[in-house]
Amino acid sequence: NAGVMQNPRHLVRRRGQEARLRCSPMKGHSHVYWYRQLPEEGLKFMVYLQKENIIDESGMPKERFSAEFPKEGPSILRIQQVVRGDSAAYFCASSRTEPNEKLFFGSGTQLSVL
Amino acid sequence: ILNVEQSPQSLHVQEGDSTNFTCSFPSSNFYALHWYRWETAKSPEALFVMTLNGDEKKKGRISATLNTKEGYSYLYIKGSQPEDSATYLCASQSTGNQFYFGTGTSLTVIP
Repeated sequence: NAGVMQNPRHLVRRRGQEARLRCSPMKGHSHVYWYRQLPEEGLKFMVYLQKENIIDESGMPKERFSAEFPKEGPSILRIQQVVRGDSAAYFCASSRTEPNEKLFFGSGTQLSVL
Repeated sequence: ILNVEQSPQSLHVQEGDSTNFTCSFPSSNFYALHWYRWETAKSPEALFVMTLNGDEKKKGRISATLNTKEGYSYLYIKGSQPEDSATYLCASQSTGNQFYFGTGTSLTVIP
């Protein structure tokens, strides 16, 4: 049973370009969470999705950032017109529906904006 | 967004010492408290999930307690070993199934 898969591991973009980060949850997991880790900081909640639904996006910047979790395929975190301040590690986690279920994390995507 | 706080921020202990760290969380919309272990260059891995006031969980030399009335949890490591060196994260899970993480306690065990 493969774990949570994130790709790419490293992504380099120039200012103004778009960044697409992908997350395939573990088999049987229908909940996906995206977190951002800035240097010297912890994991900051961005968005919580279930299949085809955004449950909570209160942690996501209102502009340039969007997320989706389609019926088929991976969850995508999309950052348009990236700026240097977007440079960070982005982690995805998934869980099952049952109560008390722990999160399983991917290895993260390190985004560097030049 | 809930404010979860952990202390201390970092800790250095000698091999064989026992240690503990604290996680405090707001009581509003609380559902469960999670502890994760995050080794360098790896992903966070779950240690414990606790929901009830007074819950205690144990895995080998590591144990955790939960006090929901006052909003804190302790993680204990008995007889620390170098392989225990990692960042320990706690997360508060809300009734809406959101997870809010503290900034972690970085533990270094000196051989």
